[in-house]
Amino acid sequence: KNQVEQSPQSLIILEGKNCTLQCNYTVSPFSNLRWYKQDTGRGPVSLTIMTFSENTKSNGRYTATLDADTKQSSLHITASQLSDSASYICVVSENTGFQKLVFGTGTRLLVSP
Amino acid sequence: DVKVTQSSRYLVKRTGEKVFLECVQDMDHENMFWYRQDPGLGLRLIYFSYDVKMKEKGDIPEGYSVSREKKERFSLILESASTNQTSMYLCASRLPGVGTEAFFGQGTRLTVV
Repeated sequence: KNQVEQSPQSLIILEGKNCTLQCNYTVSPFSNLRWYKQDTGRGPVSLTIMTFSENTKSNGRYTATLDADTKQSSLHITASQLSDSASYICVVSENTGFQKLVFGTGTRLLVSP
Repeated sequence: DVKVTQSSRYLVKRTGEKVFLECVQDMDHENMFWYRQDPGLGLRLIYFSYDVKMKEKGDIPEGYSVSREKKERFSLILESASTNQTSMYLCASRLPGVGTEAFFGQGTRLTVV
């Protein structure tokens, strides 16, 4: 069964610190992987997309990595800010005609002052 | 700026009522989706549509139906609401093809009492 697992489930860090969120997937065939940020009471918003051939991609203070061999991805947040408090969801697309999305359950990050 | 708009942020309905959740997108996207989001379960696909008047069941279609009479509008219908349908409902749209981003609405938190 195609699945996406994220860890940790929740995380509390001090403002200004770095953190790394993990995503493991079993989705096959693989098309691409996105990290979404979901603020409380809002819909998810895409942060970055990783394709099979990409290892690292940055978007400001967010850096995503992908290891397609081990089927693992990470999202690293540098110099965290209070506004980074949100849920971060890893989403993998199946490489089928419809490109079905498989969602992880998310990591809830709280940045504390 | 791209927009997916859901008609209500919060809804409270009684058991047995017929409930309509509306979603409108302004990006001319062919594909539209309805998900529900529950703690610890992530986003689960209820129904999707890849064109006007076309619809396909997702992973959890029981108790739901949908309507897509116009390209920009995708409606989710709960024929007879039950308490186990209390959830956050998210609408999304995207272009067909590989790697296209899904854009989400702000969500509707439905409570069935």
